[in-house]
Amino acid sequence: AQSVAQPEDQVNVAEGNPLTVKCTYSVSGNPYLFWYVQYPNRGLQFLLKYITGDNLVKGSYGFEAEFNKSQTSFHLKKPSALVSDSALYFCAVRDIDSWGKLQFGAGTQVVVTP
Amino acid sequence: EAGVTQFPSHSVIEKGQTVTLRCDPISGHDNLYWYRRVMGKEIKFLLHFVKESKQDESGMPNNRFLAERTGGTYSTLKVQPAELEDSGVYFCASSQVSFGGTGARETQYFGPGTRLLVL
Repeated sequence: AQSVAQPEDQVNVAEGNPLTVKCTYSVSGNPYLFWYVQYPNRGLQFLLKYITGDNLVKGSYGFEAEFNKSQTSFHLKKPSALVSDSALYFCAVRDIDSWGKLQFGAGTQVVVTP
Repeated sequence: EAGVTQFPSHSVIEKGQTVTLRCDPISGHDNLYWYRRVMGKEIKFLLHFVKESKQDESGMPNNRFLAERTGGTYSTLKVQPAELEDSGVYFCASSQVSFGGTGARETQYFGPGTRLLVL
């Protein structure tokens, strides 16, 4: 069975400060990991994914995520947050040996204040 | 290239009525998924089409939900009769899959969602 945990309902950060959104996962095999973002009144937008290879994955809008197999984590990071990064962020996982449905976390609301 | 589109963007209906949601995937994508997010909880999988066939419908909550994808292009999701607990945001996603040494590579691209409110 697959599962994803996003332990924080909300993350507050001042503009210009580093932003981290946490995600831990559980899959039976090797993980295929994703981050999506939902801006207000918009749909889900793909940010980045990890399949294999380099543990640090770079994505859209200056975001990156670090895959840590020993800690089963895939935290999303941005070195310097912008007010426009305020949105709802979702982590998702599936087993790399299968395809199809994604298992999502509950989402983390990010609020960046000026 | 157009993304995934969904119609309507919002729907408000009364309990017992019928609602039909539509999803148009990205052109050429064989895979089409329906998900929903209820009451601010996690996004949950409903079902998966490969072309016109249902690959996985394990997430469909009950027989009040009927999904179709005639001709393997757009898909509809009908809720009949709607209940209060069906309120939420219904997302559609589409993808293409490639298979290689590292397993199945697939990125699902999502539409804007349909916000359904059942009163």
